[in-house]
Amino acid sequence: GENVEQHPSTLSVQEGDSAVIKCTYSDSASNYFPWYKQELGKRPQLIIDIRSNVGEKKDQRIAVTLNKTAKHFSLHITETQPEDSAVYFCAATETSYDKVIFGPGTSLSVIP
Amino acid sequence: DTGVSQNPRHKITKRGQNVTFRCDPISEHNRLYWYRQTLGQGPEFLTYFQNEAQLEKSRLLSDRFSAERPKGSFSTLEIQRTEQGDSAMYLCASSATGAGNQPQHFGDGTRLSIL
Repeated sequence: GENVEQHPSTLSVQEGDSAVIKCTYSDSASNYFPWYKQELGKRPQLIIDIRSNVGEKKDQRIAVTLNKTAKHFSLHITETQPEDSAVYFCAATETSYDKVIFGPGTSLSVIP
Repeated sequence: DTGVSQNPRHKITKRGQNVTFRCDPISEHNRLYWYRQTLGQGPEFLTYFQNEAQLEKSRLLSDRFSAERPKGSFSTLEIQRTEQGDSAMYLCASSATGAGNQPQHFGDGTRLSIL
């Protein structure tokens, strides 16, 4: 089955700087890659997703890139703000019925 | 529509007791998923329903765990003879069926603590 790895596990950045989180997946058949943000004690919230027929997608300060050949995908957050502080999970979806396999998470701290 | 709803939010019980959690998905969503999340980890897939049919169960779902979705709407997850290792956040998610992959929307979860 699918296996998703994520780096780094913790990340601290100064407010206004950029943050990058990188993930790899194992199943070349996976074709959908959502990213979730989870604040302490709250539900995971979908912040952006990318499908395998697209190499890059941007939504305001958030962008995702996908390299299907290398089985890598990344989340880029620009102009970080304190409210971006949270745990971010990358994920890959097995094609059979959208079962989502999550990475272990990155704890992002944005220092004012 | 207020999104995916889970009850209770917290459950504290003694080891060996049975517990049941409920999930109400977004009304037009026919796919429903259960996940388990422990501290510092990502959610782990437990089981999946398409309408009332349970189509896959993870090996994490031992014979003490059972899930139902009798009318294809709400779902229940029951844990029998709870053990300390069952302490976790149990998350429910739902998604629509459509062309291509559909995003999953999560509930706030039920936090289970075993004394």
